[in-house]
Amino acid sequence: GENVEQHPSTLSVQEGDSAVIKCTYSDSASNYFPWYKQELGKRPQLIIDIRSNVGEKKDQRIAVTLNKTAKHFSLHITETQPEDSAVYFCAASWGNQFYFGTGTSLTVIP
Amino acid sequence: GAVVSQHPSRVICKSGTSVKIECRSLDFQATTMFWYRQFPKQSLMLMATSNEGSKATYEQGVEKDKFLINHASLTLSTLTVTSAHPEDSSFYICSAGPGTGASTDTQYFGPGTRLTVL
Repeated sequence: GENVEQHPSTLSVQEGDSAVIKCTYSDSASNYFPWYKQELGKRPQLIIDIRSNVGEKKDQRIAVTLNKTAKHFSLHITETQPEDSAVYFCAASWGNQFYFGTGTSLTVIP
Repeated sequence: GAVVSQHPSRVICKSGTSVKIECRSLDFQATTMFWYRQFPKQSLMLMATSNEGSKATYEQGVEKDKFLINHASLTLSTLTVTSAHPEDSSFYICSAGPGTGASTDTQYFGPGTRLTVL
């Protein structure tokens, strides 16, 4: 089955700096890669996703890149703000099977 | 669109009792729903995959007789924790999707149920 690894597990950045979270996957059949943000005590919310036929996608301050050959994808948050503090999960999916990374706890220091 | 509800949001029960948690997709139909368990500051642990009209597929290490899953319709899946014990105390989250009527092919999460077993 699929194996998704996510790094780092914790990340602290100064407000205004950029944050990068990386994930790798093992199954070349995976073709959909969403990223979720989970604030304390709340449900994970989809923030951005990318499909295997696209190399990069951007939505305001967040962007995701995908390298199919190397089987890794990354989340980039620019101009970080305190409200970006949360746990972020990546996932790799094929069909109706979703495999989540172990999460990254991001803290943005004001 | 693509809203998933979960009920109850919080439940406290005595050891040995059973607790049922409902997961509903409110504005789309989901042939597949997933049940996760999440410990504080940890990742989502997939417990089982629930397919409408068929038996659930349980992950390794998850007791199917203890965590009963029923997916009777395209909008409702239930998780019953039978003979609950304090070690079953956790945050249980369901998700639904992909499905028809949803705007993307992703999963949509319910708000979670905090189970405390005394």
